[in-house]
Amino acid sequence: QVHLQESGPRLVKPSETLSLTCTVSGASISTFFWSWIRQSPGKGVEWIGHIYYTGSTNYNPSLESRVTISLDTPKNQFSLKLNSVTAADTAVYYCARASLSPVVHFDFWGQGSLITVSS
Amino acid sequence: DIQMTQSPSSLSASAGDRVTITCRASQSIGNYLNWYQQKPGEAPKLLIYAASDLQSGVPSRFSGSGSGTDFTLTISSLQPEDFATYYCQESSSLSYTFGQGTKLGI
Repeated sequence: QVHLQESGPRLVKPSETLSLTCTVSGASISTFFWSWIRQSPGKGVEWIGHIYYTGSTNYNPSLESRVTISLDTPKNQFSLKLNSVTAADTAVYYCARASLSPVVHFDFWGQGSLITVSS
Repeated sequence: DIQMTQSPSSLSASAGDRVTITCRASQSIGNYLNWYQQKPGEAPKLLIYAASDLQSGVPSRFSGSGSGTDFTLTISSLQPEDFATYYCQESSSLSYTFGQGTKLGI
């Protein structure tokens, strides 16, 4: 069974960088796309971006200027960095696996991590 | 950007009822549509992908239909564990937009 687990600081100060890591077990990170998704009362559920094992990335255009997703293949992990955060970035952040066939769909999710942006 | 609009926003039903939730896309997305179920404190769970394909392990009382701009999720006979919030999500664009959700309550 595929299992994903988010980890990282839960409290981030405004203007600083949010950093999260997702550890994957039960599947190799060298296949599929690996995604970050967030959920907040104000914006609902929002796809942030994903990375392929080749290192190729795609980001939501609304966040692209502030987001970086990277892979650590030996550790079977991938990571999210979101810089210049504001209170509007307060949300539950999920990592998820994206299967591609026949359409992109998110079939395994982590439990989620509530990240609060506050001084 | 593609906008995804679900209706209704909330719905009350009883165990055993047949329930239908609608999702409309602001432009044609073919069959690039997925449905998720979310319970409080949990991550969304994939139910249906490609508009009508049932995810492995999901009960057959869940079904999806539609193409283009109009889609439906149907639960044929509600079970107590089905009371949750349901989201549609498009995979036609590189924003993978989610609907605003439909809360199904008793």
